[in-house]
Amino acid sequence: TQLLKQSPQFLSIQEGENLTVYCNSSSVFSSLQWYRQEPGEGPVLLVTVVTGGEVKKLKRLTFQFGDARKDSSLHITAAQPGDTGLYLCAVPNAGNMLTFGGGTRLMVKP
Amino acid sequence: DAGVIQSPRHEVTEMGQEVTLRCKPISGHDYLFWYRQTMMRGLELLIYFNNNVPIDDSGMPEDRFSAKMPNASFSTLKIQPSEPRDSAVYFCASSLIAGGPRADTQYFGPGTRLTVL
Repeated sequence: TQLLKQSPQFLSIQEGENLTVYCNSSSVFSSLQWYRQEPGEGPVLLVTVVTGGEVKKLKRLTFQFGDARKDSSLHITAAQPGDTGLYLCAVPNAGNMLTFGGGTRLMVKP
Repeated sequence: DAGVIQSPRHEVTEMGQEVTLRCKPISGHDYLFWYRQTMMRGLELLIYFNNNVPIDDSGMPEDRFSAKMPNASFSTLKIQPSEPRDSAVYFCASSLIAGGPRADTQYFGPGTRLTVL
């Protein structure tokens, strides 16, 4: 059973479109992180959300933590080719471990 | 800071050969993680160290895999003997000591793409 389910798995859109990807679970988490992984590189942290209902913005990216702290969404406004990559959500586990979702692979075509 | 350094970036080997992957974490980080990433299984934690001591190796797939951290600035992941199903991208990551329930940022290296023929 996947602890974190990300949807959609794949998304291909044109430059300028808006999109939302989701990270869902039946468990409650103390915090949740979003990472972006570009082709040929390791994941890089985008944001950490810790409070239910919290909204954080990073330029054209908007992150929201669900009120019950079981899910999160990432919305990208006016997507650009540079947004192409694998978007991963992650939650803390025992110790200092992270459990990652399966990821959403985004391609933005010029 | 140079970030997490991994070598080699690419490794192609034949089934049965020994493979050693290397990692230099960010200086001052107390935690070091080894992950494996495949299309089928995503990003999986293999093992992690705290202050050079292995804490959880439950993700290591089998006895063919071993990891060491002889000092704070170096770790190795060894596969002996290697098999085609070990083909994947292997990442090393490091982080500062965790505080409370909030996870600290993990800083990933660029990965080693391993192909076992």
